[in-house]
Amino acid sequence: QSALTQPASVSGSPGQSITISCTGTTSDVGGYNLVSWYQQHPGRVPKLIISEVTKRPSGVSNRFSGSKSGSTASLTISGLQAEDEADYYCCSYGGSSTFVVFGGGTKVTVL
Amino acid sequence: EVQLLESGGGLVQPGGSLRLSCTASGFTFINYAMNWVRQAPGKGLEWVSSIRGGSGSTYYADSVKGRFTISRDNPKNTLYLQMNNLRGEDTAIYYCAKMGYNYDSESWGQGTLVTVSS
Repeated sequence: QSALTQPASVSGSPGQSITISCTGTTSDVGGYNLVSWYQQHPGRVPKLIISEVTKRPSGVSNRFSGSKSGSTASLTISGLQAEDEADYYCCSYGGSSTFVVFGGGTKVTVL
Repeated sequence: EVQLLESGGGLVQPGGSLRLSCTASGFTFINYAMNWVRQAPGKGLEWVSSIRGGSGSTYYADSVKGRFTISRDNPKNTLYLQMNNLRGEDTAIYYCAKMGYNYDSESWGQGTLVTVSS
């Protein structure tokens, strides 16, 4: 059960767009359209921001978008704002053996 | 409104045991799978275990398999995690989460801190 691979950190200036990658295998990310993304501010509980690769739950800003190509999923934050500074985690269903696997997390810094 | 309230965390010696509970409200508990996810101090999220709603089928991360047991009491709307033979690397905040039909964790509790230390 290896964690999905995310960059440790990504930064951008206000108003810019950034993309966070999440690389898995054909047994998890590449095998199912069941990738989710979570935002976690320091000392806070994780919050679901993307489900099923591309779907935004009610109340989540449309500045957050998800995509997938092969075994790599991506989260794009457009129009970067100071409040987007947080840790972001990807997660995928991994079949009946692995079941669920998280990425190692990416710290987003707004310059 | 979905509410999840964890309890049972605390300080325990290596090799000891602890049972976490998560009381759920605001949704039909039996219809949903539930997760335990943990976060060691300063580290990322780690999936620990899941249990389906009706069937009660269970799943575990390799790091806890054989030591932890997930269970649920549907009439009491409560999720449990029995943790045995605890190790220092089990020190973490343990979150319970409601799993959506698409295997995401759509609602989270506030977490309970487990510290394994002598």
